[in-house]
Amino acid sequence: EVQLVESGGGLVQPGGSLRLSCAASGFTFSGYWMSWVRQAPGKGLEWVANIKQDGSEKYYVDSVRGRFTVSRDNAKNSLYLQMNSLRDEDTAVYYCAREVRISGWYYDNWGQGTLVTVSS
Amino acid sequence: DIQMTQSPSSLSASVGDRVTITCRASQNIDSFLNWFQHKPGKAPKLLIHAASNLQSGVPSRFSGSASGTDFTLTISSLQPEDFATYYCQQSYSTSWTFGQGTKVEIK
Repeated sequence: EVQLVESGGGLVQPGGSLRLSCAASGFTFSGYWMSWVRQAPGKGLEWVANIKQDGSEKYYVDSVRGRFTVSRDNAKNSLYLQMNSLRDEDTAVYYCAREVRISGWYYDNWGQGTLVTVSS
Repeated sequence: DIQMTQSPSSLSASVGDRVTITCRASQNIDSFLNWFQHKPGKAPKLLIHAASNLQSGVPSRFSGSASGTDFTLTISSLQPEDFATYYCQQSYSTSWTFGQGTKVEIK
């Protein structure tokens, strides 16, 4: 069974940093693109960043580019999101999701999410 | 970036009703359109991928269709467990974007 478990969320002051982790199991982690998606309170879903299987390609939404860094450790079956210079508007539940890129591209599995609250 | 305009933003319906949600892309996205169901405190769930392909394990009352840049999610007979928020999402461009969501509420 595919499992994605996020951790690392919490309360942080504006300008601070936080590192999220996503532990993957039940599938060959190194064979998939992976994404981070967030949902701010009362808002919809927003793609944040994704990373290719070997980490050679990374993409970011404009609002986090230069502040957030996505990475992965295939030996540890783990995905990470380093978040620096955090802003109030980064407050959200952050989900990791597995991308399938066969006959259409889509997220077929998601974690339960971890809450990040940016507030003074 | 490709914009996804979803409508309506919310709707009220009764169990057994036929429900239709639409999503319009700001440019051509071929069939790179997916639909998700999201309930509070839960992980989003994939319903439809590539515009009209039902994800394994999803009830057949859910269906998707496409016409140009317009996409439709249909629930043929709404069930109590279907009350949730539904999102379309395009995966055509490098930046995958979601629609604003449609909240389906009990009438």
